[in-house]
Amino acid sequence: AQSVSQHNHHVILSEAASLELGCNYSYGGTVNLFWYVQYPGQHLQLLLKYFSGDPLVKGIKGFEAEFIKSKFSFNLRKPSVQWSDTAEYFCAVSHSGGYQKVTFGTGTKLQVIP
Amino acid sequence: DAGITQSPRHKVTETGTPVTLRCHQTENHRYMYWYRQDPGHGLRLIHYSYGVKDTDKGEVSDGYSVSRSKTEDFLLTLESATSSQTSVYFCAIPRTGGNTGELFFGEGSRLTVL
Repeated sequence: AQSVSQHNHHVILSEAASLELGCNYSYGGTVNLFWYVQYPGQHLQLLLKYFSGDPLVKGIKGFEAEFIKSKFSFNLRKPSVQWSDTAEYFCAVSHSGGYQKVTFGTGTKLQVIP
Repeated sequence: DAGITQSPRHKVTETGTPVTLRCHQTENHRYMYWYRQDPGHGLRLIHYSYGVKDTDKGEVSDGYSVSRSKTEDFLLTLESATSSQTSVYFCAIPRTGGNTGELFFGEGSRLTVL
């Protein structure tokens, strides 16, 4: 079965600091990869996605993620965080082709201090 | 954005009582999903549906049943609620016309079982 690991459970940063959140998955076949964001009191929203092609993908609000197949990783980055980035971030993986069963990581809570 | 609504949004109930949560979509999508979100566990799939009257179990299906008599409605039932089922429940549908694993979530239903 596929699984997703997010190593950082709670991250606290000052505004303008750089962000990198780790995500590793276990599945030997072709995968689709996602990062979702959940702002306080809201539902999950898609931040960015990777299906194929350029392993460096750009999402909304200045976020980007890099797929490194050899490391089974899909880390999320942002060069300079803002207070409004305070949220919980979830990495997710699905198999490519056919019915998609999506597996989520346990989430990383990001707190940005003004 | 996709049209997906959940009801009720908040519910407090007592142990042993039945509870039904409703998910309604206006996208005519074949697939619908129920997840629960708990601190430290991320989102876990309870049940999913791949068509009218076609449903299957997810990873945490014990204590839950579902029904889908119409394309637009996917009901999640707790036959006899327990305190361990206190959670936030999210319904989701595929965001795109295909089924890549990219999901669009409802606003969530917060259930408290006393």
